[in-house]
Amino acid sequence: ETGVTQTPRHLVMGMTNKKSLKCEQHLGHNAMYWYKQSAKKPLELMFVYSLEERVENNSVPSRFSPECPNSSHLFLHLHTLQPEDSALYLCASSSGLAGNRETQYFGPGTRLLVL
Amino acid sequence: AQKITQTQPGMFVQEKEAVTLDCTYDTSDQSYGLFWYKQPSSGEMIFLIYQGSYDEQNATEGRYSLNFQKARKSANLVISASQLGDSAMYFCAMREGQTGANNLFFGTGTRLTVIP
Repeated sequence: ETGVTQTPRHLVMGMTNKKSLKCEQHLGHNAMYWYKQSAKKPLELMFVYSLEERVENNSVPSRFSPECPNSSHLFLHLHTLQPEDSALYLCASSSGLAGNRETQYFGPGTRLLVL
Repeated sequence: AQKITQTQPGMFVQEKEAVTLDCTYDTSDQSYGLFWYKQPSSGEMIFLIYQGSYDEQNATEGRYSLNFQKARKSANLVISASQLGDSAMYFCAMREGQTGANNLFFGTGTRLTVIP
């Protein structure tokens, strides 16, 4: 079983839709992350949760709403998105204990297209 | 300023040859970690190798090694004996600071193509 799973793998939505991305980690980690990957731009960190508490929110528009009900699950709720939000959304997890050696393990991503 | 710079948008290498992917970083921290990830077309970011700023020896993991030159702030990835399955995007990343779930700063990546 892969360490970090994401569903759905592909999503097409209209600007007025509401949808959710799901991430699940099976690694016993304490920290989870949402990243956005757009073409020809570095990965952008969106949200960080540590022990189910949000510890970082990098000025992400309110149309993106994260939820972390427990240390194994992370959601990204989407509503009234814009076409420029089309991107690959990657979830990652890490132990939260390793300091500088902290390695993040990524899921396969959700490719989102907003029409 | 960019914290991670990868100057090679694309690289080609002959199968079974070695290739070096460049990465330079910018930080004023004394303690930091450097990471390389591989991203195949499927999208998943696969962790390859880690180098700590205080590590005296260059990191190695199988066919991957890291040419760490601290004074030059470079952390180049060397892939030996390239295989067709090595064709992918490669990202260099850095963590600053020592505790907690800190940010990883990523470069823009290098697309490696292995030629049969």
